[in-house]
Amino acid sequence: GQQVMQIPQYQHVQEGEDFTTYCNSSTTLSNIQWYKQRPGGHPVFLIQLVKSGEVKKQKRLTFQFGEAKKNSSLHITATQTTDVGTYFCAGPGFAGNTGKLIFGQGTTLQVKP
Amino acid sequence: NAGVTQTPKFQVLKTGQSMTLQCAQDMNHEYMSWYRQDPGMGLRLIHYSVGAGITDQGEVPNGYNVSRSTTEDFPLRLLSAAPSQTSVYFCASSYSWDSNQPQHFGDGTRLSIL
Repeated sequence: GQQVMQIPQYQHVQEGEDFTTYCNSSTTLSNIQWYKQRPGGHPVFLIQLVKSGEVKKQKRLTFQFGEAKKNSSLHITATQTTDVGTYFCAGPGFAGNTGKLIFGQGTTLQVKP
Repeated sequence: NAGVTQTPKFQVLKTGQSMTLQCAQDMNHEYMSWYRQDPGMGLRLIHYSVGAGITDQGEVPNGYNVSRSTTEDFPLRLLSAAPSQTSVYFCASSYSWDSNQPQHFGDGTRLSIL
């Protein structure tokens, strides 16, 4: 079945350093979503990418969707302690638009002040 | 606006006991789903529903049952709890079954099976 792989699993950075997490799918995705989960909290939707090669920015966060629509990345510039949490990518299941959203394993970001 | 409400927030069960985790949303969302979250495993889809009266299996359905008699409610049943079901369970909903829709998550139920 379809898999969504996310790397790295953990990342420790010094405050002010940049951070990137990568998401790779075994199949072409119609779209990809990104979520953030703070420690002890629940996942919160950040953004959705739909078009091949799409790039979207939210303040210090930059999201990219690969040209082949099989990979995506989230880049945080100049991390802050408020960026701490686990970042998940998610893509629709192989069956297409059935709403079967499959999540990657997540990347947990720790930021040292 | 309450969004997605899960109860209880915490529960401890003994092996073999049964339990129902409740999930309710007040956003008139068609799509609802259950995920379990384990360390290093991310969020794994247990069951989902694209509308009242319709349910389907996700990635890890064994040991769990669901039903969707109303648009608002999507309970998850553990018929005979096992230690391997110790996890954090999240319910999520979205406006429609279209996978383009962002998911709204509840606060989760932290379940321990002894």
